[in-house]
Amino acid sequence: AQTVTQSQPEMSVQEAETVTLSCTYDTSESDYYLFWYKQPPSRQMILVIRQEAYKQQNATENRFSVNFQKAAKSFSLKISDSQLGDAAMYFCAYRSGGGATNKLIFGTGTLLAVQP
Amino acid sequence: DARVTQTPRHKVTEMGQEVTMRCQPILGHNTVFWYRQTMMQGLELLAYFRNRAPLDDSGMPKDRFSAEMPDATLATLKIQPSEPRDSAVYFCASGGRGGHTDTQYFGPGTRLTVL
Repeated sequence: AQTVTQSQPEMSVQEAETVTLSCTYDTSESDYYLFWYKQPPSRQMILVIRQEAYKQQNATENRFSVNFQKAAKSFSLKISDSQLGDAAMYFCAYRSGGGATNKLIFGTGTLLAVQP
Repeated sequence: DARVTQTPRHKVTEMGQEVTMRCQPILGHNTVFWYRQTMMQGLELLAYFRNRAPLDDSGMPKDRFSAEMPDATLATLKIQPSEPRDSAVYFCASGGRGGHTDTQYFGPGTRLTVL
């Protein structure tokens, strides 16, 4: 069974600085997708970024980028120029690429605080 | 701006009562997921539909929970009878045709409190 591990329960960053959130996963599959979701206090789950495992190029969305290391099964999220609105719980998630199941497997989350 | 909608946003009920949560997926999406979020268990899948057919409901307590898709624009999750341990945030997500078919887009959630 696939698992997702986020080893940092909490992180803190100064406004305008850069922070990296860690995520590792375990799978025997070669075809899969990885995601980062943001959950602010409103509880809404917001997609931040997605990565296809067969693509070597790291995904980037504005100030958000990932460091995808397939061999190491690592998928970290870098937030550049942190803003107060980035404060939220961040979840790493895995989805099998096969057709059998499309469910997301989530990590336990990292709570990010942004200090002014 | 296409988005998943869920009603109600908040529900407080007493133990033993029936609870019905509704979800309207993004138009054109053919997969619908129900997740539950609790402090203890985190986010876990309850049920999942593709083209309105249930494909996986292994995460759902069958004796009290039921999930249906009466049509392509409505998914429902029912709990009968409800228990205090059902208190959680219930998310609906949709995905499928259009855009990245592998990506799930979440609704705002229903926060359920069972007294």
